[in-house]
Amino acid sequence: AQSVAQPEDQVNVAEGNPLTVKCTYSVSGNPYLFWYVQYPNRGLQFLLKYITGDNLVKGSYGFEAEFNKSQTSFHLKKPSALVSDSALYFCAVRRRSNFGNEKLTFGTGTRLTIIP
Amino acid sequence: DGGITQSPKYLFRKEGQNVTLSCEQNLNHDAMYWYRQDPGQGLRLIYYSQIVNDFQKGDIAEGYSVSREKKESFPLTVTSAQKNPTAFYLCASKDYEVGISPLHFGNGTRLTVT
Repeated sequence: AQSVAQPEDQVNVAEGNPLTVKCTYSVSGNPYLFWYVQYPNRGLQFLLKYITGDNLVKGSYGFEAEFNKSQTSFHLKKPSALVSDSALYFCAVRRRSNFGNEKLTFGTGTRLTIIP
Repeated sequence: DGGITQSPKYLFRKEGQNVTLSCEQNLNHDAMYWYRQDPGQGLRLIYYSQIVNDFQKGDIAEGYSVSREKKESFPLTVTSAQKNPTAFYLCASKDYEVGISPLHFGNGTRLTVT
C-alpha cells in the first residue's frame, strides 16, 4: 500500500521569509510525486510534479520541491513567502508504472499561513 | 475556457433522500474521478472512470453510485445508504495516457445532510 505523510497540520511563516511544507511518502518501487494547492471553497490546483531526473523541481508561483530518495521526502519550498501563498497544500504520490490508471494517494494537507 | 464544472456549489438535503452531484468537463479527458474531502482527512477516492460506460470503485464507494454515459459527464449519486454524507465533494479529470499528467479539479460541491 502507498501512503503520504504531511507531519504538520499548520505552518506559519512571516511574509518575506523562506517557507517549507514537509511531505514524506511510502510506495513500492519508484514514485511520481505531486503538490497541489487549495484555496477556500475551491478545487485543488496543480503546482508541480516529480517524474525522474533532477531532484529539484520548479513549479508554479515560484514554488519548488526537492525529491530525496534516501529520506523518501518531497518537501515544498519557496525562497520568499507572500501573503497570497496562504492556502491548504496537499502532497500526493503514485507508483511509477506504464499504466495511466495507477491510483493517486493524497496526504491530509498542511495549512500554510503567511503573516504580514 | 476548458475546465470542469461542478454544480451546484452548495446542496442541502434531508436525511434519507438520494442526491445527485453534477460534474461536466470540456477538456476531452478520458478519465474522471470523484473525491470526498473531510477536514483533517485529505482526499479520499470514491469512484473513478477511465472510459465511457466503465467505472471502478475507489476506497470509499459504499453508499455512492456513478454513471459514465458520456465522456463529458460523470454524475455522482449519494444514496441514503451513505452513513455520513455531509462533506465537500470534488470531481477531477485527467488524460488517460501512459505517463503522469496531473489531475484537473472542479471547484467542488458542499453537501449538507440534516
